[in-house]
Amino acid sequence: AQSVTQLGSHVSVSEGALVLLRCNYSSSVPPYLFWYVQYPNQGLQLLLKYTSAATLVKGINGFEAEFKKSETSFHLTKPSAHMSDAAEYFCAVSGGGTSGTYKYIFGTGTRLKVLA
Amino acid sequence: DTEVTQTPKHLVMGMTNKKSLKCEQHMGHRAMYWYKQKAKKPPELMFVYSYEKLSINESVPSRFSPECPNSSLLNLHLHALQPEDSALYLCASSQGQRTGEQYFGPGTRLTVT
Repeated sequence: AQSVTQLGSHVSVSEGALVLLRCNYSSSVPPYLFWYVQYPNQGLQLLLKYTSAATLVKGINGFEAEFKKSETSFHLTKPSAHMSDAAEYFCAVSGGGTSGTYKYIFGTGTRLKVLA
Repeated sequence: DTEVTQTPKHLVMGMTNKKSLKCEQHMGHRAMYWYKQKAKKPPELMFVYSYEKLSINESVPSRFSPECPNSSLLNLHLHALQPEDSALYLCASSQGQRTGEQYFGPGTRLTVT
């Protein structure tokens, strides 16, 4: 069965500092992986996705993530945090290939706080 | 255009009311989803429609009744809800159930009194 673990329910960084949000997945088949951001009282916005092409994926708003199969990780990074990055971030996995479920399995989320 | 729209934005209803949530997308997507999200939690899948047919029902109580009138529209009919059903209801769509990332609408904030 697929699963997603996001380490750290809350992460605080200073403005201008590196943002690192961790996501580890478990999947018996090559997965599709996604990062979403959610601002208060809004829907989820897709930041980036991994679908077995390049292992380093660039997304919107300066975010990127690297797929590491050996570590079963898909951590989200941004070189320099901005106050507007403060939000909830969700990692999600869905099945790929010819078998498995295509439902999203979400991580529990990480609340990013950016300190002035 | 990657927009999914949802109406209404907010809804307050009593436990004996009947109301409906509406979702619309014009991206030509063939899969549409309803999620329920409680505060500080990830979204929980409720229903999936694929090519206008119900493909997944995550054992949702019958007081929630989905409907997909056409490939662009998705409704969620609500009847006899409980206070614990208060949540943010999110609609999403994707190219297909097996392909493509999901695009989410802004949600309907539902309060059951």
